[in-house]
Amino acid sequence: GDSVTQMEGPVTLSEEAFLTINCTYTATGYPSLFWYVQYPGEGLQLLLKATKADDKGSNKGFEATYRKETTSFHLEKGSVQVSDSAVYFCALSWEGGSYIPTFGRGTSLIVHP
Amino acid sequence: GAGVSQSPSNKVTEKGKDVELRCDPISGHTALYWYRQRLGQGLEFLIYFQGNSAPDKSGLPSDRFSAERTGESVSTLTIQRTQQEDSAVYLCASRHSSGDRNEQFFGPGTRLTVL
Repeated sequence: GDSVTQMEGPVTLSEEAFLTINCTYTATGYPSLFWYVQYPGEGLQLLLKATKADDKGSNKGFEATYRKETTSFHLEKGSVQVSDSAVYFCALSWEGGSYIPTFGRGTSLIVHP
Repeated sequence: GAGVSQSPSNKVTEKGKDVELRCDPISGHTALYWYRQRLGQGLEFLIYFQGNSAPDKSGLPSDRFSAERTGESVSTLTIQRTQQEDSAVYLCASRHSSGDRNEQFFGPGTRLTVL
């Protein structure tokens, strides 16, 4: 079945550091890929997505590129802020049907001033 | 407009008691999902409602878990005879049937603690 694997956290960075959170997936075919963010005490919010190979999703300075060769969708940001501290979830789902995503375990990001 | 809301935000119960969790989806969203998020784990799909179709219950972990939704409105998730392993955050999400079909909008969750 489908699966999503994320790097284990927590990831601890200083403000303005470069961020990479790795995500790889296992699926038969080419699903849509997503990054969700969960701020403390809140529900998940869609951060960005890509629906086909080589697409780049971007939002709020974050970006991720759909790489079918490496079945990866790594999240990057050039300069993190304290306000980026949250848990980040990588997910995949399929067009059509129920759109029930398969989520990774989440990666906690802690940014220090 | 208002987002997805859930109540209560926190629930502490004793082992063996029944609990009922509520989700108010975004108005007009025909699809509704329940997930369970255990500490340090990803989201575990529980159940999916789409309009008046029969719900997809394939993710419910046992017959102690059930959920209802009337039409395209409020949903309740009921856990009977709670066990300590049921302690988790229960998240609800809704999705519109058209437009950006893949995007789900999540509520803040209900944190359930079974003592």
